[in-house]
Amino acid sequence: AQKVTQAQTEISVVEKEDVTLDCVYETRDTTYYLFWYKQPPSGELVFLIRRNSFDEQNEISGRYSWNFQKSTSSFNFTITASQVVDSAVYFCALSRIAGSARQLTFGSGTQLTVLP
Amino acid sequence: DAGITQSPRHKVTETGTPVTLRCHQTENHRYMYWYRQDPGHGLRLIHYSYGVKDTDKGEVSDGYSVSRSKTEDFLLTLESATSSQTSVYFCAISDPTGGITEAFFGQGTRLTVV
Repeated sequence: AQKVTQAQTEISVVEKEDVTLDCVYETRDTTYYLFWYKQPPSGELVFLIRRNSFDEQNEISGRYSWNFQKSTSSFNFTITASQVVDSAVYFCALSRIAGSARQLTFGSGTQLTVLP
Repeated sequence: DAGITQSPRHKVTETGTPVTLRCHQTENHRYMYWYRQDPGHGLRLIHYSYGVKDTDKGEVSDGYSVSRSKTEDFLLTLESATSSQTSVYFCAISDPTGGITEAFFGQGTRLTVV
């Protein structure tokens, strides 16, 4: 069975602060994919990033960065110099690489509020 | 944007009535999914399909059935709606065997069972 835990239910920061969203996962698979999605107040789900379990390089995209540590089963997401438009619910997710069961298992999400 | 259309977008129905939600894709992706989103639970998988007429249950499949007779359409049926099925339903598509491992989501359907 797979499980994703996002222990931070809600985070509130002031604009321009850095913020890190935590994600811890459980899986028996040795290879897997990890994902982050954003759900703004409008309700749609927006794909942000995919990471393969065999690639532990951190990734940076503009103000976003992701820290994947297989040893601690964590895939954390940092927003640098946060902006009001970053306010959203952020979901971490996990999927298998092999077999027919390729569905994503989601965490319960972290509501991020960035105050002006 | 991935071509995924959910219909209807909003529905209010009475307890005990059957309800069918439709997901239509124009991307020819092999996999299609139905999730429900509830406060405190994130997104939970109801059913998924990995090909025409190939479906399997997810975490919260009780009270739901699905059908996929064509690649582009995936139907979710609530056989006898209950108030606990009030939720936002999302359809998603992916094509992992074609290298598209991430799921792309429809706009969601808000279902209220009264």
